[in-house]
Amino acid sequence: NAGVTQTPKFRILKIGQSMTLQCTQDMNHNYMYWYRQDPGMGLKLIYYSVGAGITDKGEVPNGYNVSRSTTEDFPLRLELAAPSQTSVYFCASSWAGEGYGYTFGSGTRLTVV
Amino acid sequence: AQSVTQLGSHVSVSEGALVLLRCNYSSSVPPYLFWYVQYPNQGLQLLLKYTSAATLVKGINGFEAEFKKSETSFHLTKPSAHMSDAAEYFCAVSGNTGNQFYFGTGTSLTVIP
Repeated sequence: NAGVTQTPKFRILKIGQSMTLQCTQDMNHNYMYWYRQDPGMGLKLIYYSVGAGITDKGEVPNGYNVSRSTTEDFPLRLELAAPSQTSVYFCASSWAGEGYGYTFGSGTRLTVV
Repeated sequence: AQSVTQLGSHVSVSEGALVLLRCNYSSSVPPYLFWYVQYPNQGLQLLLKYTSAATLVKGINGFEAEFKKSETSFHLTKPSAHMSDAAEYFCAVSGNTGNQFYFGTGTSLTVIP
């Protein structure tokens, strides 16, 4: 089983460019999440979705957008990239919310220069 | 909002020694609590979780954690450290809505041969 697949694994963007981080899961999980991980800061929630067509903001949504047209896919869009968005991004999924652990993807390391 | 405090951003132990990683949470109601492990350049993997059943929770790789409501703690332990335990460990607590988790800032475990 693939689990949660993230692409690309690495990317360098110039300031002002845009890109989409892809996330796909094959476990039929309803809940999906995007986190960013910065050194010494732990993981911060960007956006989450409790099902197709439903998304909501997390702690740090500014500068990002998401969509959830299918159960499997939950892409994260960066518009007008800024150096502050240099981070490692993790997508995760869960069968339900509370009480269920996450399955994480292997991450996308993004550098904005 | 929930918060999680992990005391000690870096912990070093000798191989074969006791591992103790500390986690305290803030919550007015018993939460769901988790420990995750992250190996270099990988996503997070679930070690164990507490979901209001037994207060002593056993996880993978010989790790266990004890939920202590009076101390609002969920410390992670392992009786005998192995070289392969060297990794970053994150404690997480569920939010009040149940749709998201709050992560601690992580503890990097070094195992000395």
